[in-house]
Amino acid sequence: AQSVTQLDSQVPVFEEAPVELRCNYSSSVSVYLFWYVQYPNQGLQLLLKYLSGSTLVESINGFEAEFNKSQTSFHLRKPSVHISDTAEYFCAALGVQGAQKLVFGQGTRLTINP
Amino acid sequence: GAGVSQTPSNKVTEKGKYVELRCDPISGHTALYWYRQSLGQGPEFLIYFQGTGAADDSGLPNDRFFAVRPEGSVSTLKIQRTERGDSAVYLCASSLQGRSYEQYFGPGTRLTVT
Repeated sequence: AQSVTQLDSQVPVFEEAPVELRCNYSSSVSVYLFWYVQYPNQGLQLLLKYLSGSTLVESINGFEAEFNKSQTSFHLRKPSVHISDTAEYFCAALGVQGAQKLVFGQGTRLTINP
Repeated sequence: GAGVSQTPSNKVTEKGKYVELRCDPISGHTALYWYRQSLGQGPEFLIYFQGTGAADDSGLPNDRFFAVRPEGSVSTLKIQRTERGDSAVYLCASSLQGRSYEQYFGPGTRLTVT
């Protein structure tokens, strides 16, 4: 079984500032890792995923996340945020084998202030 | 192409009533998943279908919850004797067979039990 912990429920930052949203996971098996974003009044959208290979993965809108196996972390970063990045961000894990269900963290609300 | 659709988008019902929530997956996706997202929480897995059969229903909270997928496409989540604690957003996702790491989510059905 897997569990995912997002260490910050809310993160306020100023526009154009850097941001890091933290995610740690626990699993007895190998996992795939994901970040999903939920914009206000919209559904869940996949932001980026780590399946294998390079431990640094990037999204099309400037976010990146690094898989760190020794620290069991998958933190999400962006060097300069925009007002449009205001959303709820969810980290999730999926066992490579076995159960086919995503296990989500509690979510981090990112608020961008002008 | 069309994404995952869910109907209704909102449902208000009285405590003790029966409700049905519908999910139309992406055409050709044989895997279908139901999740529940309570206020301020990340989505939690309910049930996973591979074709017509429920491959994993370990997330259903009790026997008031039931889901079907009789023809391997549309799925219906059924909740009997609703309780106020059932109030949540119910999310549906679908994927191609063997690609549970690429789950596409619908917009959700917001269920409110009064």
